[in-house]
Amino acid sequence: QVHLQESGPGLVKASETLSLTCSLSGGSISSFYWSWVRQPVGKGLEWIGRIYTTGSTNYNPSLKSRVTMSVDTSKNQFSLRLNSVTAADTAVYYCARGRTGTITPAGAMAYSYYHMDVWGKGTTVTVSS
Amino acid sequence: SYELTQPPSVSVSPGQTASITCSGDKLGDKYSSWYQQRPGQSPVLIIYQDNKRPSGIPERFSGSNSGNTATLTISGTQAMDEADYYCQAWDSSTVFFGGGTKLTVL
Repeated sequence: QVHLQESGPGLVKASETLSLTCSLSGGSISSFYWSWVRQPVGKGLEWIGRIYTTGSTNYNPSLKSRVTMSVDTSKNQFSLRLNSVTAADTAVYYCARGRTGTITPAGAMAYSYYHMDVWGKGTTVTVSS
Repeated sequence: SYELTQPPSVSVSPGQTASITCSGDKLGDKYSSWYQQRPGQSPVLIIYQDNKRPSGIPERFSGSNSGNTATLTISGTQAMDEADYYCQAWDSSTVFFGGGTKLTVL
C-alpha cells in the first residue's frame, strides 16, 4: 500500500524559504504526478502544484512566482520550496499522488481529469515574524 | 480563474439522504472529484470522474455532474459521515477546489 510522509521544518521565519519533502513508500514514484496541497487552520484546501516524474510541473498561478518543485526518483521523494514566505503561508501542507488522463466519450469532446487518490498525513508549517 | 462554489453547511438526519452541490461555469464539461475530510485527518478521495468510487468507499456515496453543477449524494447517512466535503475540478492545467461544505448529521 502506498504511503506518503511529509517532512521539513515546522517553523520558518518570514521572508525565508519553506522547504518540504514527501517520501513515498510501498510503491514507485515513477509514472505518476505528485501534488502539494495546503490548508490554513480552519480554512479550505488550496492546490500548490504538481510535478511529474520527468520533472514537468504545473503550479497554481497565484503561487507560481514563489514555488519550485523537484523530484528525486532515486530516493522516491519529491520536494516543495516556497520562497519569501509570510504569515499567510502558515498552514498544514499535504503531499498527494495524482491520477490524470483524458477520456473521449463516444461522439463527444475529450475531457481531461486530475484527482488525488493517496494523501500524506500532512505537516504543519508556521511562519513566524 | 475558475471558481467552484459550495454551500458552507448542510444538515441531515441519520438514515436520510444528504446532497452537497458544487457549482462552476460549465462544470459539466469537466470531470469532478469529491474529498471527505474528517476533523484532524487528511482528505480522502470518495468520488472521481464525476461518479466513480475508489475501492473501499461505501456504495452510499454517489456523484453526478451536469450543466453547471456537480452533486455529491450520501444515501442512508451515518454519523460517521459527519465531515467536511470538498469538490475539485481540473481546468487549464490547474486544480480548483470548492470552499468546502460541513456536513452535520443531527
